[in-house]
Amino acid sequence: EPEVTQTPSHQVTQMGQEVILRCVPISNHLYFYWYRQILGQKVEFLVSFYNNEISEKSEIFDDQFSVERPDGSNFTLKIRSTKLEDSAMYFCASSSIRDTERGYTFGSGTRLTVV
Amino acid sequence: GQQLNQSPQSMFIQEGEDVSMNCTSSSIFNTWLWYKQDPGEGPVLLIALYKAGELTSNGRLTAQFGITRKDSFLNISASIPSDVGIYFCAGSKAAGNKLTFGGGTRVLVKP
Repeated sequence: EPEVTQTPSHQVTQMGQEVILRCVPISNHLYFYWYRQILGQKVEFLVSFYNNEISEKSEIFDDQFSVERPDGSNFTLKIRSTKLEDSAMYFCASSSIRDTERGYTFGSGTRLTVV
Repeated sequence: GQQLNQSPQSMFIQEGEDVSMNCTSSSIFNTWLWYKQDPGEGPVLLIALYKAGELTSNGRLTAQFGITRKDSFLNISASIPSDVGIYFCAGSKAAGNKLTFGGGTRVLVKP
């Protein structure tokens, strides 16, 4: 069963440091997403990416955030200067209009802890 | 912004009981999805609904896409201990668009 792979599973960083979260979406999917879940809360949309550009972003996704698809397989989320409130689980997801059985498939997440 | 109101927020189950939860929205969604999330894991898709009025089953799970496209419910029949977890509804306006998530229903085992 194809899956979305995220690395690392857990990242601890000091406030003000840059972090890059990595994702490998399902290979034939065309839409890619990052979501965030603060502990005990619901999953929140950050950004969607299609055809090598951002298609939508939320108000959470400010200038400190950026996404990139550096090659044909990886999809990354960069936080330039982390804040304490960036501590959360970050989920990557991918989808395809044709792959309706799988819907939107999520990775297992990266737990980011900012200290 | 768009909101999905999910209820109940939490519920206790006894093995063998049926479980129901639902989501409502003030705006229309063209796709409704139900996910289960175990601690420390990502959401795992349970059922996807693409047509208004659609009733879909996946084993002991049944979900319906409301005819108004503003609501959906999920039923779990004959619950078992591994049904414990957090269930989220999620809606999308169009294929490829972002998902908006409900607040989740935490299913716990009766002591």
